[in-house]
Amino acid sequence: GAVVSQHPSRVICKSGTSVKIECRSLDFQATTMFWYRQFPKQSLMLMATSNEGSKATYEQGVEKDKFLINHASLTLSTLTVTSAHPEDSSFYICSARDPGQGFSEQFFGPGTRLTVL
Amino acid sequence: SQQGEEDPQALSIQEGENATMNCSYKTSINNLQWYRQNSGRGLVHLILIRSNEREKHSGRLRVTLDTSKKSSSLLITASRAADTASYFCATKGGTPRLTFGEGTQLTVNP
Repeated sequence: GAVVSQHPSRVICKSGTSVKIECRSLDFQATTMFWYRQFPKQSLMLMATSNEGSKATYEQGVEKDKFLINHASLTLSTLTVTSAHPEDSSFYICSARDPGQGFSEQFFGPGTRLTVL
Repeated sequence: SQQGEEDPQALSIQEGENATMNCSYKTSINNLQWYRQNSGRGLVHLILIRSNEREKHSGRLRVTLDTSKKSSSLLITASRAADTASYFCATKGGTPRLTFGEGTQLTVNP
């Protein structure tokens, strides 16, 4: 199946700093990528849909100025958590759809564990 | 809020037994998918069932879908310790978005 990578896998930062997380589709071009957040022992919550070459679509309740998304190429989307606070500590997962394998299945990255001190 | 609900929330069985997990949803769907997540990892796609299908098999996995009841079940037969993970259902409607259920934590004891 298609492969999606994320970097970094784990990050610890101080409160008030910004953190950038990268999501890459390694063997296919993804016009659409998705960003999820998952708190411990909970399900995945969709934060936003990232569209190549256009603005991201954010879910209700997700602050676009706090979670900046850039999808500048067909293989890379970035999520920047600005002025991070301890309540932003979570597991962030991206996914992408591979047009070559139909649009129904999403391929997920391994996730990024963010800890804000 | 999550539209999918899964039960049980946690399931503990012995190796070799079958594991059944259920998922309910609220809106109309194009397809329903099941994913597996090992602790602290990303999700792995297991199986997809379309809204016009009632049952699907893949190896030791069997998925059923009842659109009249808006529910699905995932059966893992002859479970193994390596099947220990969280299992999520996800529904897809007319948009690219997936909506995930709350998940079932499966523990298979050797």
